[in-house]
Amino acid sequence: KQEVTQIPAALSVPEGENLVLNCSFTDSAIYNLQWFRQDPGKGLTSLLLIQSSQREQTSGRLNASLDKSSGRSTLYIAASQPGDSATYLCAADNFNKFYFGSGTKLNVKP
Amino acid sequence: NAGVMQNPRHLVRRRGQEARLRCSPMKGHSHVYWYRQLPEEGLKFMVYLQKENIIDESGMPKERFSAEFPKEGPSILRIQQVVRGDSAAYFCASSPTSGTGGNRAFFGQGTRLTVV
Repeated sequence: KQEVTQIPAALSVPEGENLVLNCSFTDSAIYNLQWFRQDPGKGLTSLLLIQSSQREQTSGRLNASLDKSSGRSTLYIAASQPGDSATYLCAADNFNKFYFGSGTKLNVKP
Repeated sequence: NAGVMQNPRHLVRRRGQEARLRCSPMKGHSHVYWYRQLPEEGLKFMVYLQKENIIDESGMPKERFSAEFPKEGPSILRIQQVVRGDSAAYFCASSPTSGTGGNRAFFGQGTRLTVV
């Protein structure tokens, strides 16, 4: 059964810092890995999707990498801003269902 | 395209009552997934449905929970005789093709169920 772990559980950084969020998964037979953002009391917003055959995806200040063999993905956020404060979830897609990590709660201080 | 629509956004039920959560997928999507998020936890898969079919219900509790996705109308997640432990956020996602493989899944805003 797929297990997804995210480290750290919480992170507080000053504005402008570059930061890395980590995600690990136990079953490498995934279709893709997706990173989501969740704001308090809100739904999920898809940030980046990495197909199993890809190594990374970029969108603006966000870059996500995927290493299937080691069961790891990282989300890199460049030049963080207070508006980036949210919980970031990674989800491994094992066909027909996502397995989510518990998230990293990010606070970017002005 | 209005996105995945869930209603109600907030639902309060007394113990023993029934809760009905509705999800309208994005236009053109015929595959619906329900997830539950307990406080301070990640989302857990509950059920995957296509029109008039349950494809995978491996994450559904064996009792009191049921889901449907009729030919016409929204998908419904039904919880009978609710208990305090059912209090959670319930999210619906939709995708255009079978499985989510290769496709970005779109999530609704969720229904926050509180059982008092």
